[in-house]
Amino acid sequence: DGGITQSPKYLFRKEGQNVTLSCEQNLNHDAMYWYRQDPGQGLRLIYYSQIVNDFQKGDIAEGYSVSREKKESFPLTVTSAQKNPTAFYLCASRIQGAANVLTFGAGSRLTVL
Amino acid sequence: AQSVAQPEDQVNVAEGNPLTVKCTYSVSGNPYLFWYVQYPNRGLQFLLKYITGDNLVKGSYGFEAEFNKSQTSFHLKKPSALVSDSALYFCAVRAYSGGYQKVTFGTGTKLQVIP
Repeated sequence: DGGITQSPKYLFRKEGQNVTLSCEQNLNHDAMYWYRQDPGQGLRLIYYSQIVNDFQKGDIAEGYSVSREKKESFPLTVTSAQKNPTAFYLCASRIQGAANVLTFGAGSRLTVL
Repeated sequence: AQSVAQPEDQVNVAEGNPLTVKCTYSVSGNPYLFWYVQYPNRGLQFLLKYITGDNLVKGSYGFEAEFNKSQTSFHLKKPSALVSDSALYFCAVRAYSGGYQKVTFGTGTKLQVIP
């Protein structure tokens, strides 16, 4: 079945550590996105990528980094510079074209101890 | 800059009654509007979208939404609510930003359907 796989589902991190969240899609979608979800704040865009080897900062990119070396993969690194990283992280993808909807992964919950 | 507002954090409705979840937007040019639903600890699922044409859009699970350009609104509706409709609902708008397509989500509205 086609879809988006995020891993790990749950992750615990000590303060000062970097952590990488995986996002893999087999939908042959061009664009990929990372969102952060906090209670009462909805989804906020961290980074997005329209094509391989190209990505753009979203609204809250500070303390995060991404890469897009392959069309299928868009990993997100939460660095120690991110002051409040505890959140639910969602990866999404879509085919190019304004009308196309986003397909979401099941999410990764990061907790900083 | 584009934005989406969902003025209600929570909406409570009795099972069998009609429901409305409100959404207003601000965007330059023509908007592409979407509704998504999220169940606990899961990703978002697409419900429906408005691109152009008929202002009343029908989507999954009996939901529909009405696009109102003059009021810049895109409210989600269902004639008869089910307990299983209880979830978190997000409105979203897509527009060009700096030459790229950008999707902006509202803060979400929790729908509670009471048996």
